[in-house]
Amino acid sequence: LAKTTQPISMDSYEGQEVNITCSHNNIATNDYITWYQQFPSQGPRFIIQGYKTKVTNEVASLFIPADRKSSTLSLPRVSLSDTAVYYCLVGPLGEWGTDKLIFGTGTRLQVFP
Amino acid sequence: NAGVTQTPKFRILKIGQSMTLQCAQDMNHNYMYWYRQDPGMGLKLIYYSVGAGITDKGEVPNGYNVSRSTTEDFPLRLELAAPSQTSVYFCASSYPPTNNEQFFGPGTRLTVL
Repeated sequence: LAKTTQPISMDSYEGQEVNITCSHNNIATNDYITWYQQFPSQGPRFIIQGYKTKVTNEVASLFIPADRKSSTLSLPRVSLSDTAVYYCLVGPLGEWGTDKLIFGTGTRLQVFP
Repeated sequence: NAGVTQTPKFRILKIGQSMTLQCAQDMNHNYMYWYRQDPGMGLKLIYYSVGAGITDKGEVPNGYNVSRSTTEDFPLRLELAAPSQTSVYFCASSYPPTNNEQFFGPGTRLTVL
């Protein structure tokens, strides 16, 4: 079971870079790291996914060290609209419904003006 | 594309009543899922389906039933509602697993009194 550990909450100010770290010491060879964002009263939204090194898209970057035991979601220059809960999921592709790819309690990010 | 749609948005049930939460997607996704989210918690998988006629239990299936007669629809049935089923219910869908991206509906907020 690739259990994940993330901070319960984080605070930031507009314009700052935010880094949210997820620990997953028991990650398996065929596991991928996936991050979701959830705004209040909405369903989660896929942000980014990676296997190793660095992945970047228009929303965020994902940094994964060589041992893959942790990962860091980086949000550049956050705005008030980035206030949300961020979930780190670890598991093989498409193996939902097993004991992997679980939405934990996530990290609640609050961005202040 | 409407994406994933859910009805109703809100519902209050009395203990012992039954209801069906509707979910439909127009993206031709084979995979569909039902989650519940209790206040301040992550999402828990109730049931999922990998195609029409195929369903399987998730983490918390007790008290619920599903069916999948078409690719588009995946209704969730609550029999004998209990206060413990008060929650927000999210339906999601995805392609066959080339990544771990799920597309979520807007949710149904259910209260059982």
